[in-house]
Amino acid sequence: NAGVTQTPKFRVLKTGQSMTLLCAQDMNHEYMYWYRQDPGMGLRLIHYSVGEGTTAKGEVPDGYNVSRLKKQNFLLGLESAAPSQTSVYFCASSYDSLNYGYTFGSGTRLTVV
Amino acid sequence: TQLLEQSPQFLSIQEGENLTVYCNSSSVFSSLQWYRQEPGEGPVLLVTVVTGGEVKKLKRLTFQFGDARKDSSLHITAAQTGDTGLYLCAGRFSGSARQLTFGSGTQLTVLP
Repeated sequence: NAGVTQTPKFRVLKTGQSMTLLCAQDMNHEYMYWYRQDPGMGLRLIHYSVGEGTTAKGEVPDGYNVSRLKKQNFLLGLESAAPSQTSVYFCASSYDSLNYGYTFGSGTRLTVV
Repeated sequence: TQLLEQSPQFLSIQEGENLTVYCNSSSVFSSLQWYRQEPGEGPVLLVTVVTGGEVKKLKRLTFQFGDARKDSSLHITAAQTGDTGLYLCAGRFSGSARQLTFGSGTQLTVLP
């Protein structure tokens, strides 16, 4: 099983450009999440989804949009990239919202110049 | 915002030594998980604890959940170089069960 696959792995954007990060999972998980990881700040939740067609805001949603048109895919969009969005982005999925663990992708390193 | 504090932030030890890292909050966890993250990869789940006072063992790793469910510890016996990595605790707080809140992690380096 591939688990959670994120594309691309690396990207450099100029300020103001837009891009979409793709997350795909093959475990039939209902819940999917987007986190960003910055030095000394741990993982912070951007947006999440509790099922196909649903999305909700996390701790740091500003400047990002998401869509979950298919159960296996969760897209994260940056409409107008800013240097403050330079980070490593992780997608995760889980079977439910209680005591099951998250399965993470290997991350996307984004640099905005 | 409910916070998890992890300590120490950095830890460097020699192979064969024992170590303990800590995860604390002022709020009660409904459950808590520990993850390990290696460079260039996403975090990988090590364990989930749910019951106050619970102790779980995973080979040389021992995880303990505080009686009041506000803290947890990870103890590694006879550390090996392969234990090097970022150890993250993540908790679900009562009342916000859908969201997993992560601590900032303990970066462990085990020297040969």
